[in-house]
Amino acid sequence: AQKVTQAQTEISVVEKEDVTLDCVYETRDTTYYLFWYKQPPSGELVFLIRRNSFDEQNEISGRYSWNFQKSTSSFNFTITASQVVDSAVYFCALSEAGGGNNRLAFGKGNQVVVIP
Amino acid sequence: EPEVTQTPSHQVTQMGQEVILRCVPISNHLYFYWYRQILGQKVEFLVSFYNNEISEKSEIFDDQFSVERPDGSNFTLKIRSTKLEDSAMYFCASSERGQETQYFGPGTRLLVL
Repeated sequence: AQKVTQAQTEISVVEKEDVTLDCVYETRDTTYYLFWYKQPPSGELVFLIRRNSFDEQNEISGRYSWNFQKSTSSFNFTITASQVVDSAVYFCALSEAGGGNNRLAFGKGNQVVVIP
Repeated sequence: EPEVTQTPSHQVTQMGQEVILRCVPISNHLYFYWYRQILGQKVEFLVSFYNNEISEKSEIFDDQFSVERPDGSNFTLKIRSTKLEDSAMYFCASSERGQETQYFGPGTRLLVL
């Protein structure tokens, strides 16, 4: 069963527009961790944020913000005033604490294309 | 800032050959991981390693794969007899503790011909 769903495959926006990436997760654990990673065209995976299941506070970091809602099992990511450098694939990932597992289960990713 | 490094960045090999992918995790990290990403697809977990043994492995990580920490700094992934479908980007990652953030290396792009 897919644990992390990122429904939007590719999203194109014009520079300076906002873009929101949806992430829906599935777990039976009460303790879990959610992540977002960025994969630019160069291919590396860049950590953006980690959130534990007990911390539902939304977070803002510069032009990036995250909205965590346990009631809907969602951890959405918004880029405000997008720039060309934001063009990348963005992955949402889940780590479940139960059983001592540390593996990250990734979604399929959102390809964001920012058009100048 | 400390980072995970991986060598080589690219590797081309013939089907049936053995390959060893190398990683140097962040020095104070205790948990090490390998993931792979087939071109255009999502990142998939292969194996996690802690205290000199495998702590978890996925169904992808069959007998053709093995991991080792040969010394205090390197962490390797060996594929004994490569298949065409092993062609992928292989990422090493490390974390300070379990459930902490995993930091990824730049990846090794493996092409099996």
